[in-house]
Formats: sequence, structure tokens, C-alpha cells
Amino acid sequence: DAKTTQPPSMDCAEGRAANLPCNHSTISGNEYVYWYRQIHSQGPQYIIHGLKNNETNEMASLIITEDRKSSTLILPHATLRDTAVYYCIVRVYSGAQKLVFGQGTRLTINP
Amino acid sequence: EAGVVQSPRYKIIEKKQPVAFWCNPISGHNTLYWYLQNLGQGPELLIRYENEEAVDDSQLPKDRFSAERLKGVDSTLKIQPAELGDSAVYLCASSLDSNTEAFFGQGTRLTVV
Repeated sequence: DAKTTQPPSMDCAEGRAANLPCNHSTISGNEYVYWYRQIHSQGPQYIIHGLKNNETNEMASLIITEDRKSSTLILPHATLRDTAVYYCIVRVYSGAQKLVFGQGTRLTINP
Repeated sequence: EAGVVQSPRYKIIEKKQPVAFWCNPISGHNTLYWYLQNLGQGPELLIRYENEEAVDDSQLPKDRFSAERLKGVDSTLKIQPAELGDSAVYLCASSLDSNTEAFFGQGTRLTVV
């Protein structure tokens, strides 16, 4: 699975959009980009995933660049409860389905 | 719908003692995972089950760790004997199949003293 690079930490003001970047320059054509988050003392929580096109669900939006070498997770109106570690993972859709977590980005939402 | 249930939530044991963790996946989920998470690190896969078959256990330290999923539903992870370095959070996750997103339990925090 391709490796991802994320900033170790970010801050965002409550109510503003939080934009979390992820670089995955070695991503292969059949690898998806997944995002999970982990709130303190809880297990990781699935947020969203995508292959080429931008995706949106009730939690977030995922913007993938045309060359697929980077992506951005957008939390449109961050709340204090969005404070967590956010993991960007690339994963082949078939075959071995191991999720390989990196260090993630520790996002702090400030009041 | 209930999520992935793990027990116990916390466990403190002395080194060299055995310990077991239990996981009840989401109903209907065929794929089950056990992950290990050290402090400040992302989770690392220990073992993956497809129904009752362990299909990826390459990261499981087999000298002291064992796991089972006898009827393809609940699973247990055992450590015997535990070492100080085993102190970590043990996470269980499940998914409908190996192509869908995984849902995690809250984990078991193990402290070995």
C-alpha cells in the first residue's frame, strides 16, 4: 500500500471549515483514499473514502487532486467534538484489505 | 444497531500472567480484525479473519499471542504470558466483507505491571 504524509497537528476555530491535507504521491491506480478519525479514548471512526472523484457525505467532503497525488478532507463547520486524530490511508480495493495507519493529524478545534 | 463490542474496557495484570480480550462484531459482518495501538501511534493490524478463517496473521507474535473465531462471529485474543511491552490498546473491528469499510470497537486498554 502507498504511504501517506500528513501534518502532525492543526488548529481550527469552531464554526470554520477544517481542511486536512494528505500527500500520497506513490498512490496506484487501484488504490482508494480512506479517512478515519480517532477521538480520545475511542476506536477509529470511518469518515469517507474515494477513488478519483470528489465525495461528500453527512460528515465531510473529500477532494482528490486530478493526479491523485494528494487529497484534502474538509469538515465544513467544525465543532469542538471534531477534535481528534485524523488518519489518511490508501488502500487497494480488492485483495489484502489491511488498513495501514500512519501517525495522522491531531486536529484541535478551538472555541 | 449495536456497534462492535469489546470487553473488558480496561485490564491491569502482572507480567507473566495470561490475559484474554473478547470481541463481538456487528451482526452480519464476515470480516473481523484485531489491531494493536501503542501510545501516540496509529493502530497496527495483528490478525484478520474472513468468517472463522485467519487469512492474515503475519503480524501476530505467535510465541505468546493467539486468537480464535470459532463460529465466525465472536472472537478472542489471548496473550500468554504477558510482558511489560504488551501494554497498549487492543482494538477489534469488523466489516461486511474485505472490500467495505471497517467499524471499530472502543478497545481494551491493557496495562502490564
